[in-house]
Amino acid sequence: EPEVTQTPSHQVTQMGQEVILRCVPISNHLYFYWYRQILGQKVEFLVSFYNNEISEKSEIFDDQFSVERPDGSNFTLKIRSTKLEDSAMYFCASRGQGDSNQPQHFGDGTRLSIL
Amino acid sequence: AQSVTQPDIHITVSEGASLELRCNYSYGATPYLFWYVQSPGQGLQLLLKYFSGDTLVQGIKGFEAEFKRSQSSFNLRKPSVHWSDAAEYFCAVGHTWQGGKLIFGQGTELSVKP
Repeated sequence: EPEVTQTPSHQVTQMGQEVILRCVPISNHLYFYWYRQILGQKVEFLVSFYNNEISEKSEIFDDQFSVERPDGSNFTLKIRSTKLEDSAMYFCASRGQGDSNQPQHFGDGTRLSIL
Repeated sequence: AQSVTQPDIHITVSEGASLELRCNYSYGATPYLFWYVQSPGQGLQLLLKYFSGDTLVQGIKGFEAEFKRSQSSFNLRKPSVHWSDAAEYFCAVGHTWQGGKLIFGQGTELSVKP
């Protein structure tokens, strides 16, 4: 069964540094998402992406965050200047064409630790 | 505002016993509802989904869930729990517009006693 893959599985970064989290969505999917889960808290929506542009973003997704689909397969989340509170598990998800009742498929996540 | 509540943070059941995990939602229209499971170090795996039609939906691994509009609930059930079911379970509401983001509940951690 096709799956969403995320790299790296764990990223350790100094505060203030830029970090790029990478995702390869399922190949025929058209909608892409980033979520995060701070330790002990619920999974929170960050951003959705469709047709090469952001379709919705949350309050968390401020100017320090950006997303890109640089080629036909990768979907990246960049944090420009990381803060301690950015430490979390970041999940990428994708879903296929059609109504939003199509389920999202999640990757195993990248654990981001900011020192 | 749209929200999802899972009242039980942690539940412990004996292997072979039945299980019910509660989920209540707040949403302005008929929602799309999902249950996901997360094993340690893993991503979120879809157990089942409800969009419309029959209010009792079957999922993978022997799970089922019932949508009750009058109670704004979508509780997850399993008649006989296996030790491998120990994991964190998340209920989610899917937006029916724009990009279709998911709003998650806090999660319920399930422990299984031998």
